[in-house]
Amino acid sequence: AQRVTQPEKLLSVFKGAPVELKCNYSYSGSPELFWYVQYSRQRLQLLLRHISRESIKGFTADLNKGETSFHLKKPFAQEEDSAMYYCALKDSSNTGKLIFGQGTTLQVKP
Amino acid sequence: NAGVTQTPKFQVLKTGQSMTLQCAQDMNHNSMYWYRQDPGMGLRLIYYSASEGTTDKGEVPNGYNVSRLNKREFSLRLESAAPSQTSVYFCASSRGTGVGNTIYFGEGSWLTVV
Repeated sequence: AQRVTQPEKLLSVFKGAPVELKCNYSYSGSPELFWYVQYSRQRLQLLLRHISRESIKGFTADLNKGETSFHLKKPFAQEEDSAMYYCALKDSSNTGKLIFGQGTTLQVKP
Repeated sequence: NAGVTQTPKFQVLKTGQSMTLQCAQDMNHNSMYWYRQDPGMGLRLIYYSASEGTTDKGEVPNGYNVSRLNKREFSLRLESAAPSQTSVYFCASSRGTGVGNTIYFGEGSWLTVV
């Protein structure tokens, strides 16, 4: 079964501290994974995707096929990073559907 | 640069009432989706339309119907609203379904059924 798990509902850190938002997936074959961010009562925005190997707003994520993980990291958290973060996996049916994790709220305290 | 536009943004319905959520995209995308967002459950797919003229059920289709009116528009209808349908609804679109295609989301529609 295809599944995405984000084990933490809430992650609270102080400004300047490192951040790691965990994401584990279940998928047969080569997964296509994404991180989306949702600021308070706004639309979901694509933060990054593993095939691009990019860094957006200081965030990076590496696909680890051995551990079936795609954790999101940032070395120094900023207050404006406070938001809901969703890890998502593209469904294998070639319909473009995304399977989302439950989401993690990141709270960066001053 | 409107992207994906949804209306209405907020709506309160009484149990048993019907309503339609409208969605339009101006990016010439082929695929469109309706998700609902509930606390602790992430986003779950209600219906999708891989291309104009086709619609298919997602993970949680019960109580909903959709219409892909044309390439731009994809509406979601609640025929007889129930309190369990209180949620935030997101419309989304993508150019295609293959590798590398990004899904873009609308701003959401907050629906409360009392």
